[in-house]
Amino acid sequence: AQSVTQPDIHITVSEGASLELRCNYSYGATPYLFWYVQSPGQGLQLLLKYFSGDTLVQGIKGFEAEFKRSQSSFNLRKPSVHWSDAAEYFCAVFGQNFVFGPGTRLSVLP
Amino acid sequence: DTGVSQNPRHKITKRGQNVTFRCDPISEHNRLYWYRQTLGQGPEFLTYFQNEAQLEKSRLLSDRFSAERPKGSFSTLEIQRTEQGDSAMYLCASSPGASSYEQYFGPGTRLTVT
Repeated sequence: AQSVTQPDIHITVSEGASLELRCNYSYGATPYLFWYVQSPGQGLQLLLKYFSGDTLVQGIKGFEAEFKRSQSSFNLRKPSVHWSDAAEYFCAVFGQNFVFGPGTRLSVLP
Repeated sequence: DTGVSQNPRHKITKRGQNVTFRCDPISEHNRLYWYRQTLGQGPEFLTYFQNEAQLEKSRLLSDRFSAERPKGSFSTLEIQRTEQGDSAMYLCASSPGASSYEQYFGPGTRLTVT
């Protein structure tokens, strides 16, 4: 069975600081990996995806993520956070079907 | 491209009533997914269509839930004899299909069962 964990329920960072959101997955093979963002009252928006190839993937809004097979991780990073990045972030895995993590809520201090 | 739309956006119903939600995917998208999301959780997969064929159903989907996509375009999700535990956000997503697994989500329908 496949599963996704996001160890951090809530993270607070100051505007301009760097950000890393953790994601670990469990699946027997290399899955397809995704990060989505959900702002209040909005649908989920795809930030980036990893299917194969280069393990560092670039996404929208200045986000990137790195796939590390040895650690079964797909952490999301951003070098400088903006106040508009405050939202809920979900990591998702597609192996046999789609499984989403529980999410990490990001707060940004001015 | 107007994105995925869902109607209604909010639904309040009494326990025991039936409700139906509609999802209009992005045109030309072959795949359509339904998810349920409760507060503080990520979306949970319910079911998925490839064109009009329902290819997979989660064990979460009890017999009170049914979904259709009659012409391979819009889809409906019906919940019969609603229970308070059905209160959640119901999300629809569509995908181009083939080798693309990118999903585009609608804004969701929030169901409250009183």
